[in-house]
Amino acid sequence: QQQVKQSPQSLIVQKGGISIINCAYENTAFDYFPWYQQFPGKGPALLIAIRPDVSEKKEGRFTISFNKSAKQFSLHIMDSQPGDSATYFCAAHPRDNYGQNFVFGPGTRLSVLP
Amino acid sequence: DTGVSQNPRHKITKRGQNVTFRCDPISEHNRLYWYRQTLGQGPEFLTYFQNEAQLEKSRLLSDRFSAERPKGSFSTLEIQRTEQGDSAMYLCASNAGGYEQYFGPGTRLTVT
Repeated sequence: QQQVKQSPQSLIVQKGGISIINCAYENTAFDYFPWYQQFPGKGPALLIAIRPDVSEKKEGRFTISFNKSAKQFSLHIMDSQPGDSATYFCAAHPRDNYGQNFVFGPGTRLSVLP
Repeated sequence: DTGVSQNPRHKITKRGQNVTFRCDPISEHNRLYWYRQTLGQGPEFLTYFQNEAQLEKSRLLSDRFSAERPKGSFSTLEIQRTEQGDSAMYLCASNAGGYEQYFGPGTRLTVT
């Protein structure tokens, strides 16, 4: 069964600090790795995504680092803000999956203290 | 608001009752997905439609679950003979191809 593991389960960071969330996958047949942000009472929203042929992607304060050989990818949030407090999910898209549904990690609850 | 909408937002039902949820995707999105999310977990894929055709179903979708998208627009998810284990957030997402999926706010089901 394809799985995506995610850590830590929860994370507390001071305002202005760096938040780092890690994910690892067990199946090489993934071809797209998005990160989703979910606020309470809302559905997940795409934050940033990367393909396995790229080692890093940066969008504003958010950076994905991808290590293909280790089958790991991580989300870095620079200058973390209280408004970033949410649950973050990594996900992976199985290659050759026509429906393009994702396998999600269990989530990391981030709290940024003011 | 032109995002994905879901109704109802909350549903409390007694075990053994049937429930039906509705999802209205973003207009012109031909692909529609249903996921289930339990507390402390990421969404789990249930089923996927392209237009009115249901093209993929997860093993999680037992025979008590049925989904339809009769005219390729809105979709319904019905759960028959609900069980306490069905308590979860049911999420709908849509897109027009490509990888990005746009999620609705979900329907939270509580089975007592």
